[in-house]
Amino acid sequence: GAGVSQTPSNKVTEKGKYVELRCDPISGHTALYWYRQSLGQGPEFLIYFQGTGAADDSGLPNDRFFAVRPEGSVSTLKIQRTERGDSAMYLCASSPGGGPKAVWPFGSGTQLSVL
Amino acid sequence: QKEVEQNSGPLSVPEGAIASLNCTYSDRGSQSFFWYRQYSGKSPELIMSIYSNGDKEDGRFTAQLNKASQYVSLLIRDSQPSDSATYLCALHTGGGNKLTFGTGTQLKVEL
Repeated sequence: GAGVSQTPSNKVTEKGKYVELRCDPISGHTALYWYRQSLGQGPEFLIYFQGTGAADDSGLPNDRFFAVRPEGSVSTLKIQRTERGDSAMYLCASSPGGGPKAVWPFGSGTQLSVL
Repeated sequence: QKEVEQNSGPLSVPEGAIASLNCTYSDRGSQSFFWYRQYSGKSPELIMSIYSNGDKEDGRFTAQLNKASQYVSLLIRDSQPSDSATYLCALHTGGGNKLTFGTGTQLKVEL
């Protein structure tokens, strides 16, 4: 596909469960970003990958959140012991490289609901 | 003080009018500024970027940047009902690879 693909588009889970959210970036893009958007708020930065490594994970809220990108392409955001406050839209974007002018479209997002 | 501030609205304008959306920011090192449009339940869509002081026009949209006063604005001319959405202001800080967003302004264009 031409754009960033995120799956699933919707995920409903129960408090305390583990979830994985997937992001397929645009082919060849080395940079990948995860953001979280709660209702009524703007997106908040979570983590930025350059290749396989997390170049900046300062936005991850706590140790229940973890993200990987083992082959420098697909990324998975993992949330352990989910809480109701984790309910949000999780957004992913990719770009050919980083830098202050590198702004690329978001995927369509994963809406996570923790009951 | 929040890094990026926007009036949450809603801002209501009649169809055909000019909508003016404003954003102020606190980090003087910010280099790049962006406006996103977000329809309810959808992901944000980039509509404008601006890097230098002054105005930048793209169709019905004009972005204005004033770094000395630390504000960036978006003007929408000939507003249409389809422009009804939340508009998010975002910026890159110097050297960073992440965007910082405001909370967004809800725009309603009324018939």
